[in-house]
Amino acid sequence: RKEVEQDPGPFNVPEGATVAFNCTYSNSASQSFFWYRQDCRKEPKLLMSVYSSGNEDGRFTAQLNRASQYISLLIRDSKLSDSATYLCVVNDGVPTFGRGTSLIVHP
Amino acid sequence: EAGVTQFPSHSVIEKGQTVTLRCDPISGHDNLYWYRRVMGKEIKFLLHFVKESKQDESGMPNNRFLAERTGGTYSTLKVQPAELEDSGVYFCASSQGVQMYEQYFGPGTRLTVT
Repeated sequence: RKEVEQDPGPFNVPEGATVAFNCTYSNSASQSFFWYRQDCRKEPKLLMSVYSSGNEDGRFTAQLNRASQYISLLIRDSKLSDSATYLCVVNDGVPTFGRGTSLIVHP
Repeated sequence: EAGVTQFPSHSVIEKGQTVTLRCDPISGHDNLYWYRRVMGKEIKFLLHFVKESKQDESGMPNNRFLAERTGGTYSTLKVQPAELEDSGVYFCASSQGVQMYEQYFGPGTRLTVT
């Protein structure tokens, strides 16, 4: 099965910082893309879907670049509560998860 | 509304033993999925039920794994006999529709095979 790749991090940033993660995927036929958040020893929870036109939800912005086959997640004004692992998911009929990027926001 | 529940939350068994994991989806959700995350790896899809039928079982690793969903309600995932590499977290998810963003994940069962 095709891969989804993420930088595992950790990204260690101070509160208020802006941080961005990228995720590359190898299957050019992939149709839908998502970012999930997973807290330690918890289940994944949908953060946002990623649309071709890009989408924004509060401090979070997701973008898709089909030509270069990557999606990105931008978090502005980081909060301590944003500390988690962020999973990239690409769905080409069967969901394929990345290993996740760890974010640590410190005071 | 109750979420997806999974039982047990933790299971420690010896190699060669049998373990059965259970998932209770959100009431009314026809779609039920099993995933697992082994140590150091990404979450991987195992299979997808629509009601009691297996829609896609392409992710099942081998014939030691058997998933059932009799009656289209709860589902079980049996591992027999368990091997060391089966250790990991097994997640269940359910949804009303078939879109990924509609899936709600359960808390997972942490399986340790010694």
